[in-house]
Amino acid sequence: EAQVTQNPRYLITVTGKKLTVTCSQNMNHEYMSWYRQDPGLGLRQIYYSMNVEVTDKGDVPEGYKVSRKEKRNFPLILESPSPNQTSLYFCASRLSGGKKLFFGSGTQLSVL
Amino acid sequence: AQKITQTQPGMFVQEKEAVTLDCTYDTSDPSYGLFWYKQPSSGEMIFLIYQGSYDQQNATEGRYSLNFQKARKSANLVISASQLGDSAMYFCAMREGPGSARQLTFGSGTQLTVLP
Repeated sequence: EAQVTQNPRYLITVTGKKLTVTCSQNMNHEYMSWYRQDPGLGLRQIYYSMNVEVTDKGDVPEGYKVSRKEKRNFPLILESPSPNQTSLYFCASRLSGGKKLFFGSGTQLSVL
Repeated sequence: AQKITQTQPGMFVQEKEAVTLDCTYDTSDPSYGLFWYKQPSSGEMIFLIYQGSYDQQNATEGRYSLNFQKARKSANLVISASQLGDSAMYFCAMREGPGSARQLTFGSGTQLTVLP
């Protein structure tokens, strides 16, 4: 089944403890992206990647890192999480020239 | 300025009735795409419908149609014959330009509740 898989689904952590949210897609998509969703703000893009080893900042990149060593994986790294990063996170992917963005199931992160 | 505006934070509709969810957008790029996504309480994002700026006809997908009024920069979603399972958050989104790097910009969403 074609899908974008994020893990974990839920994560509670404490300020300053490094964490990684994994994202993997099995559709051979070139483009991958991370969004965060906050009430009243919709979804805002954190980082995106056009292809392997090509990443760029979105609208809200501060406090986040990404890497794209393989085409299928696009992990989101929070080196030193803070409470303002408590949010619902989505990974998404699509073909380079594709219209439709496929989303993962989301990761609800709480930073205490 | 907001690129995507959804002015209805919440909407109610009676089961089997039609409902229109509003979306206006702001862009100076002649090439753009408009999307609607549904987010049920389980949290996943479900693609509903797409309209390209050069498309001559309004997009339709089953019970979903997009009322595209280019001059007014509006892209309202119409759901016909509402069902209880349509209760969800609905997001309008836009991608500007033909380049493949362009991101989706989302509105703040409309929470739709279908009443039995």
